[in-house]
Amino acid sequence: ETGVTQTPRHLVMGMTNKKSLKCEQHLGHNAMYWYKQSAKKPLELMFVYNFKEQTENNSVPSRFSPECPNSSHLFLHLHTLQPEDSALYLCASSQDGASGSNEQFFGPGTRLTVL
Amino acid sequence: GQNIDQPTEMTATEGAIVQINCTYQTSGFNGLFWYQQHAGEAPTFLSYNVLDGLEEKGRFSSFLSRSKGYSYLLLKELQMKDSASYLCAVRDGDYKLSFGAGTTVTVRA
Repeated sequence: ETGVTQTPRHLVMGMTNKKSLKCEQHLGHNAMYWYKQSAKKPLELMFVYNFKEQTENNSVPSRFSPECPNSSHLFLHLHTLQPEDSALYLCASSQDGASGSNEQFFGPGTRLTVL
Repeated sequence: GQNIDQPTEMTATEGAIVQINCTYQTSGFNGLFWYQQHAGEAPTFLSYNVLDGLEEKGRFSSFLSRSKGYSYLLLKELQMKDSASYLCAVRDGDYKLSFGAGTTVTVRA
């Protein structure tokens, strides 16, 4: 039990669909992150929110749209995705940005398949 | 850009010791992390180094040399449950973690 939950755990969608991934953290953290993990590739940071403000957008295509309504919830809205977007999408949270170890706690991920 | 290298795979016997090396070239440095990820599960935090030297935590130790851009994770008294992927990550600046591709460790009986 990591304290970070993600739904759904698995998602299959067509290229014309619109769907959303949800992340919730129960750790009282102030920073939240979206990562993409593709097979045999490094984890790629997509977005960072700190105190609900977006502080990092790592050149992510506009078909991925994040939303952070409060420090506990993070969404990733998906539309008109491509098959190469199929991957494991991981959410993480940390206390804040850079003080101390400030390790990131990861959720179990959403396995996304785009047909 | 960021460049973080670690071996793709390693195999070791139960009870043995394995050392996973990580070399990095990054535009900034604000700490190095090791995470463990079992297949189909979330990465979990193992260790953090920001100063040169060895950090020991039970069977796991992590070493850092900032001048050499080098770290290693040492796993002692290997157990079957240690079979997993081990991810090296460098924090560059305030928030951004750049990850290596991970080292898959297989522990054999």
